[in-house]
Parts: sequence; C-alpha cells; structure tokens
Amino acid sequence: GENVEQHPSTLSVQEGDSAVIKCTYSDSASNYFPWYKQELGKRPQLIIDIRSNVGEKKDQRIAVTLNKTAKHFSLHITETQPEDSAVYFCAASKLGNAGNMLTFGGGTRLMVKP
Amino acid sequence: EAQVTQNPRYLITVTGKKLTVTCSQNMNHEYMSWYRQDPGLGLRQIYYSMNVEVTDKGDVPEGYKVSRKEKRNFPLILESPSPNQTSLYFCASSSQGPVEAFFGQGTRLTVV
Repeated sequence: GENVEQHPSTLSVQEGDSAVIKCTYSDSASNYFPWYKQELGKRPQLIIDIRSNVGEKKDQRIAVTLNKTAKHFSLHITETQPEDSAVYFCAASKLGNAGNMLTFGGGTRLMVKP
Repeated sequence: EAQVTQNPRYLITVTGKKLTVTCSQNMNHEYMSWYRQDPGLGLRQIYYSMNVEVTDKGDVPEGYKVSRKEKRNFPLILESPSPNQTSLYFCASSSQGPVEAFFGQGTRLTVV
C-alpha cells in the first residue's frame, strides 16, 4: 500500500519568515495530494490540494509543488503569521477505480514566533 | 450549514463492551470515511465507503466494522473494544472520492 513520509516533524519560524514542509510518497499511481491544517483541539481542515497533472498551485500565501518523478510534494507558506501555528498533514490518494484510500503523513507541528 | 456530525464527542468505556460511534452528513456526499488519530502516527484510515452499501478497508480496519445503509450515515462499530483502540476518531465526507474531505468534530474514545 501507499506510504507517506513527512518532514520535519516540528518546525519553528519567526513571524514573517517562510515555512516549507516536505512529503514523499511511495506509490507512483497516486494522483491526488491534499494538505490539511489542524489547530489545537480542532478538526483537520483542507487548506490546499493538487492533482498529478499540475506541478504547482498557489492560494494567497500558500503554495504546493509536486515532483512526480521524485515522488515528493511540498507545502510552502510565505510571510508566516502566528495564526499559521498548527499541525499540518499531507496526504496521498489514487483517485478512481484503483483506490480511493487516503493515506496521511505523520504531521508537522509549525510554531510561528511573534 | 454544511456539517459532519459525530456522536458522542467523548466516550469512556470498558474492554469488551460493544459501542457505536455515529456519523451523519447533510451535504449529500457519496464518499464517507473513518480515521483514527494517534500521537506521532498522524491520521490513519480505518474504513471508507464510496456509496450506499459499498464499504472498503483502509489501513487499519482490524477490530472495527462499518455499515452504509443510507447515504447520510456511516456508523463505526467496535464489537469488542480493547485499550489499544483508545484514540481520537474522525469521520469525514466528500462528494468525489476523498477529494476535499470535510471532517467531523472528532470523538475521543477511551477504553479501560
């Protein structure tokens, strides 16, 4: 089955700096890669996703890049703010008849220091 | 308001006593799934359902059962809970496979 590894497990940045979280996946047939943000005591919420036919996607301060050849994808947060502090999870899935399971990475705790 | 509702939110039970955690969504989503969240392990999928009467195992299905008799409901059943099933459980739903999955509030289960 799919295996998703996420690094780093914790990340501390100064407010205004950029943060990068990286994930690798094992199944080359995976074609959907979402990122979730989970604030303390809350449910995971989707912040951005990318499909395998696209190399990069941006939404304001957040961007995701995908390298299918290397089987890794990354979350980039620019101009970090204290409210970006949370645990971030990457995930991978094979949409369609071949799967539809969703496999998550272990999570990254991001701390943004004011 | 779009919602995925889980009940109960908190549950303490004893080993071997059957329990059911309910999950209901009001978005007419076809795909529903259950996850457990444990420290350092992230979220792991237990079961998922592509539509009514269609269920499939996720990564960690042992010790759990599910059913999908109606589109809106996807209960998680623990026939004989054990302490290693102590965890935070999330239900999620989405319209097309696991794309843009919307999570419920979570159920914290403790088995003693």
